[in-house]
Amino acid sequence: KNQVEQSPQSLIILEGKNCTLQCNYTVSPFSNLRWYKQDTGRGPVSLTIMTFSENTKSNGRYTATLDADTKQSSLHITASQLSDSASYICVVSPPSGGSYIPTFGRGTSLIVHP
Amino acid sequence: GAVVSQHPSRVICKSGTSVKIECRSLDFQATTMFWYRQFPKQSLMLMATSNEGSKATYEQGVEKDKFLINHASLTLSTLTVTSAHPEDSSFYICSARDYYGYTEAFFGQGTRLTVV
Repeated sequence: KNQVEQSPQSLIILEGKNCTLQCNYTVSPFSNLRWYKQDTGRGPVSLTIMTFSENTKSNGRYTATLDADTKQSSLHITASQLSDSASYICVVSPPSGGSYIPTFGRGTSLIVHP
Repeated sequence: GAVVSQHPSRVICKSGTSVKIECRSLDFQATTMFWYRQFPKQSLMLMATSNEGSKATYEQGVEKDKFLINHASLTLSTLTVTSAHPEDSSFYICSARDYYGYTEAFFGQGTRLTVV
C-alpha cells in the first residue's frame, strides 16, 4: 500500500530559526514528490516539485531534498518568519496515466513564535 | 502559472438542502479534476476523480448519490452536496491537471461548508 509518512507531526520554533521537516514514502512506482504549504482555511500552495532524478530544489527560503534510493525527502526552512506558520504537506505521485492518484502525507503543523 | 478557481469560498446552508461548489481552471484545459475533503487538522482525503465527459470515480466510502460530481467541460467541474447534514460540514478542495499532468500541482482556494 502506498504511504507517505511525515514527521514531526507538529513543530514550534522561534522566528529567525531554521527547521527541517521529514517525509518518508513507500509509493512505487514513483514520478514526483511535491511539498505544499497550506495556510489555515486555504487551499495548498505548491512550494517545490522534484522528480526521481533530482536531489534538491530551492524556492526562496525553502529547500527540498530527495533521496530516491531511501525514499526520503526533507524540507528545510531557513530564517523562519511568522508567515511560515502553516501546515506543510508532502505529496508523492505515481507516473501519469492509468489509475493516477497522488498520495498525501498528514502534514507537519509548523508554528513560528516571535 | 496555472490557476484553479473555486467558488464559493464559504457557504452556510440548512440541513436537507443541496449545495453546489464550482472548480474552474482559468488558463488551461483540465482533463482531470480531483475533489478532496479535509477535516480540521487532518490531511486531505481524496473523494473522487473526474475526467471531462465521463462519470466520476469515487473513492471507497464516498457516497456517489450524495456527492454529485459533474465535469461537463474542460474548464469546469462541480461538486453538489445533496441533502446536506451537519456531518457534511467540512473544507472541500479541488485540484486540476491537464492531459500531460503539468498542472496537477495547483489547487483551488477551498470551500468551507457549514451545515446548520
